[in-house]
Amino acid sequence: DIQMTQSPSTLSASVGDRVTITCRASHIIFTRLAWYQQKPGKAPQLLMSEVFNLERGVPSRFSGSGSGTEFTLTISSLQPDDFASYYCQQYHSDNTFGQGTKLEIK
Amino acid sequence: EVQLVESGGDLVQPGRSLRLSCTASGFTFGDFGMNWVRQAPGKGLEWLGFTRDKASGGAIEYAASVKGRFTISRDDSKSVAYLQMNSLRTEDTAVYYCTRWTGGFSYGSYWGQGTLVTVSS
Repeated sequence: DIQMTQSPSTLSASVGDRVTITCRASHIIFTRLAWYQQKPGKAPQLLMSEVFNLERGVPSRFSGSGSGTEFTLTISSLQPDDFASYYCQQYHSDNTFGQGTKLEIK
Repeated sequence: EVQLVESGGDLVQPGRSLRLSCTASGFTFGDFGMNWVRQAPGKGLEWLGFTRDKASGGAIEYAASVKGRFTISRDDSKSVAYLQMNSLRTEDTAVYYCTRWTGGFSYGSYWGQGTLVTVSS
């Protein structure tokens, strides 16, 4: 099984900050990596797939990078709507989610 | 518009069984793989398993944590995916989501609203 280690588990930041969330896979997953955003009481929403392919309607301040086993989600300038939880997911072999990152207002 | 609606969540006693349904609309259900994912209260997302579409072989895979207790199936004629859960434990308490694949990739491009399963005596 492929394990996904996501960090940090909690991130405190301010509007306008640039933030980065990291996900590390226990095995090579090539580019089979997706990111989701989840707000309290709601189902997760897909932000991007294949490392960096943004879903339609996702703001360009969100970006993804990486390959192999190391991946990052970057938000270039935090907006109030971005404070939420974020999850990575590998889909190279079955599926595995990272533990999640809660992005809080500082 | 793609819609996924989970149903069947309930309060059940430990050791009992429950079947969840995921009713799909807005797309040709039989052309897509489907996942089941759950989220325990205050916790992260856990993938439970998926069913591939029949054209891709229809294989079903499970997470190790539920293999042998949970069974995924689908009825393409009704556009419904099922999650049969047996020998339920208190730690199975969670919101259960179904999600739809995109093409041959199993990430969840569409999610239902979830259905709550509470396992308690």
